Amino acid sequence: QQPVQSPQAVILREGEDAVINCSSSKALYSVHWYRQKHGEAPVFLMILLKGGEQKGHDKISASFNEKKQQSSLYLTASQLSYSGTYFCGTEISGNTGKLIFGQGTTLQVKP
Amino acid sequence: EAQVTQNPRYLITVTGKKLTVTCSQNMNHEYMSWYRQDPGLGLRQIYYSMNVEVTDKGDVPEGYKVSRKEKRNFPLILESPSPNQTSLYFCASSYTYNQPQHFGDGTRLSIL
Repeated sequence: QQPVQSPQAVILREGEDAVINCSSSKALYSVHWYRQKHGEAPVFLMILLKGGEQKGHDKISASFNEKKQQSSLYLTASQLSYSGTYFCGTEISGNTGKLIFGQGTTLQVKP
Repeated sequence: EAQVTQNPRYLITVTGKKLTVTCSQNMNHEYMSWYRQDPGLGLRQIYYSMNVEVTDKGDVPEGYKVSRKEKRNFPLILESPSPNQTSLYFCASSYTYNQPQHFGDGTRLSIL
């Protein structure tokens, strides 16, 4: 049931773009994205709800394809501060509060 | 300051010795949740609570207990800890389950 994130790791130069994917074998009600820097707690980025409502970060965008049961996080013109591990959390049962997170994607942005 | 506070931050203990990790939030959030984080496995939800007196199992509840007697507190109880519960634990809260979660700083547990 754990969603699969891809790629597992990516290295970028400042200013480059990246896409992180999150795929589920189950139908999704919502997808939650978090970023965690080394030694710190996860920090909220984005929530995408079934039906298209999006709540989140104005410098990072995301898509939610309900039919394909997947979400993608788009990081454009990456900055050094984007480095960290990105997690997607999926809600596969509506209105329960249960979240299943992926294994994470490590992003490293170099100068 | 709005925050989620976990205690202790670090604990080394022995197998079988009951322990409690406390979690408290000052944001009047309805939803609270516990996660464990292990290398390569991401965040795994242990238990969550949609509101006071309402708790439910996450993906990995075995060996853990929780209670939610007050809105602000959500302690995690390990009745008989075992070495496979050595991990980094996070408590999080949000207004509802579909709102941004605020995470505590984490508790690193080592069970020998």
